[in-house]
Amino acid sequence: AQSVTQLGSHVSVSEGALVLLRCNYSSSVPPYLFWYVQYPNQGLQLLLKYTTGATLVKGINGFEAEFKKSETSFHLTKPSAHMSDAAEYFCGTGANNLFFGTGTRLTVIP
Amino acid sequence: DAGVTQSPTHLIKTRGQQVTLRCSPKSGHDTVSWYQQALGQGPQFIFQYYEEEERQRGNFPDRFSGHQFPNYSSELNVNALLLGDSALYLCASSFPPPTGERYGYTFGSGTRLTVV
Repeated sequence: AQSVTQLGSHVSVSEGALVLLRCNYSSSVPPYLFWYVQYPNQGLQLLLKYTTGATLVKGINGFEAEFKKSETSFHLTKPSAHMSDAAEYFCGTGANNLFFGTGTRLTVIP
Repeated sequence: DAGVTQSPTHLIKTRGQQVTLRCSPKSGHDTVSWYQQALGQGPQFIFQYYEEEERQRGNFPDRFSGHQFPNYSSELNVNALLLGDSALYLCASSFPPPTGERYGYTFGSGTRLTVV
């Protein structure tokens, strides 16, 4: 079955610090991986997605993720956290119907 | 350019009742998918509609049904509501597969359903 695992349900970083949100996928997952962000009381917004080609994917708001087949990982990073990055982040897979992880809540400390 | 519109934004229903949620897709999109997001969980796929037919379905009971209209808008119906149906219900629109996969999905802000 297709699945992704998000490591850490809550992550706190200081403003200006590196953001690292971890996601591992099962080997049965086809190479369609993505990250969505959900701000309070809002729907999901696509940050970035990987299908084929370059393994380093750049997304919106300064986020990027690297597809590492050898580690079955697709971690999300941002060099410098901003207060506005505080939100829930979902890793997932799927091309037509989407399978989401359980989410990581990011808190940014001033 | 309007995004995905869902109504109502909040709803409270009693156990055993029936509920209808509505979704208008983003302009240019003709495929609508529905997701259930329980508190503290990621969204789970319910079903997808294209050309007024259910094309794919997730692991949800028959109490969950849907409809798509000629203008591409969609309804999600849930019968015999259970306390466990309390969740945020998200609608996502896209181009039909396989184009939808390439360009991604646009999500609405959801309908918060509380069953008491």
